Amino acid sequence: DAGITQSPRYKITETGRQVTLMCHQTWSHSYMFWYRQDLGHGLRLIYYSAAADITDKGEVPDGYVVSRSKTENFPLTLESATRSQTSVYFCASSDPFGATSGGTYLDNEQFFGPGTRLTVL
Amino acid sequence: GESVGLHLPTLSVQEGDNSIINCAYSNSASDYFIWYKQESGKGPQFIIDIRSNMDKRQGQRVTVLLNKTVKHLSLQIAATQPGDSAVYFCAENKGTDKLIFGTGTRLQVFP
Repeated sequence: DAGITQSPRYKITETGRQVTLMCHQTWSHSYMFWYRQDLGHGLRLIYYSAAADITDKGEVPDGYVVSRSKTENFPLTLESATRSQTSVYFCASSDPFGATSGGTYLDNEQFFGPGTRLTVL
Repeated sequence: GESVGLHLPTLSVQEGDNSIINCAYSNSASDYFIWYKQESGKGPQFIIDIRSNMDKRQGQRVTVLLNKTVKHLSLQIAATQPGDSAVYFCAENKGTDKLIFGTGTRLQVFP
């Protein structure tokens, strides 16, 4: 009954290192999302995925890589971390084909994970 | 450009009073709006949504009003409680692949 979880919750790394943030959901939701949250910018979409092996860029994809080999997992990788990537990262999922769906994947509730606070030194 | 913003960064209200959080949007093509609540250290939590073919929608203690003429969205919380203290975000969907979030309003509830 965990819902959607993220790991690690906190991470400190150095410039240039590769970092992977994990996201796991137990609902079998088809859509998953990665956002970053920065003061003054609200939530900005990095990448999203409509299903396993289907991913697409969001508003701020540069410097990030995602994969979705399994429906329940959606890892986000910073290939070479930069200070500007210091942020709080949120994963979310949604089920556009559920009973309360409005018809598109955005016409329904996105369930958010607890977030990962990443600091790049 | 496209933007979703909030008029007030911080709103302080007394417990039991009604709260009104406002949001302005710039894209008249937006057809779906959502309010999220984010408590400290947690992810955003869906509160209520509204489609552009509606002017008002009510939930439990919350009401969202949409004024398309002036591109304005508001969230009304009745009988505000200490547990309502959080940051509130509005978001819009223009029918594209993205939700655009506002920068947030912090609601502080005093006893």
